[in-house]
Amino acid sequence: EIVMTQSPATLSVSPGERATLSCRASQSVSTNLAWYQQKPGQAPRLLIYGASARATGIPARFSGSGSGTEFTLTISSLQSEDFAVYYCQQYNNWPYTFGQGTKLEIK
Amino acid sequence: QVQLQESGPGLVKPSETLSLTCTVSGGSISSYYWSWIRQPPGMGLEWIGNIYYSGSTNYNPSLKSRVTISVDTSKTQFSLKLNSVTAADTAVYYCARLTYRNVFDIWGQGTMVTVSS
Repeated sequence: EIVMTQSPATLSVSPGERATLSCRASQSVSTNLAWYQQKPGQAPRLLIYGASARATGIPARFSGSGSGTEFTLTISSLQSEDFAVYYCQQYNNWPYTFGQGTKLEIK
Repeated sequence: QVQLQESGPGLVKPSETLSLTCTVSGGSISSYYWSWIRQPPGMGLEWIGNIYYSGSTNYNPSLKSRVTISVDTSKTQFSLKLNSVTAADTAVYYCARLTYRNVFDIWGQGTMVTVSS
């Protein structure tokens, strides 16, 4: 199975600043990569699919990039509601696998 | 809009079978894959398996020997059975819709299942 590794485990950023989250795949997943946001006590929410396409209703401050094994999620200007845990997920091969998550916390 | 709701026992004894149902409302169950995903307390997400509305399934190899997913289109429900459970199966269980883009776009709120005697 493809192992997804996210870094850092925790990222401390001030509101209004930019946050950059990384995700690495153990083998190429092309652009078959999604990002999800999860807040405490809630289900994950789809943010990005196809490595860079925003899901319906997702603000433009969220952007994704990358292909192959290296991917990045960037939040351009952090809002208070953006502090959460973010997961990447590959869907290039079964079984679909998730990273262990990056917790984005307020600095 | 489509909504998903998990239901089932919150407590299961070790070695017994965990059974959950996901009810799809506000839309059709046809033409989509439907999935189960779980999340142990304080940990990440694990995909369990999918079922197409026609009944074809895909399972995570790590759980395949213990998992059965079924669908009842007349009730717009799909179900998860996980047998021979242990404490390691304690988790929040989510049902989710898998789109044609192969991403999980709609999720249920999740249901906590604890395996304990």
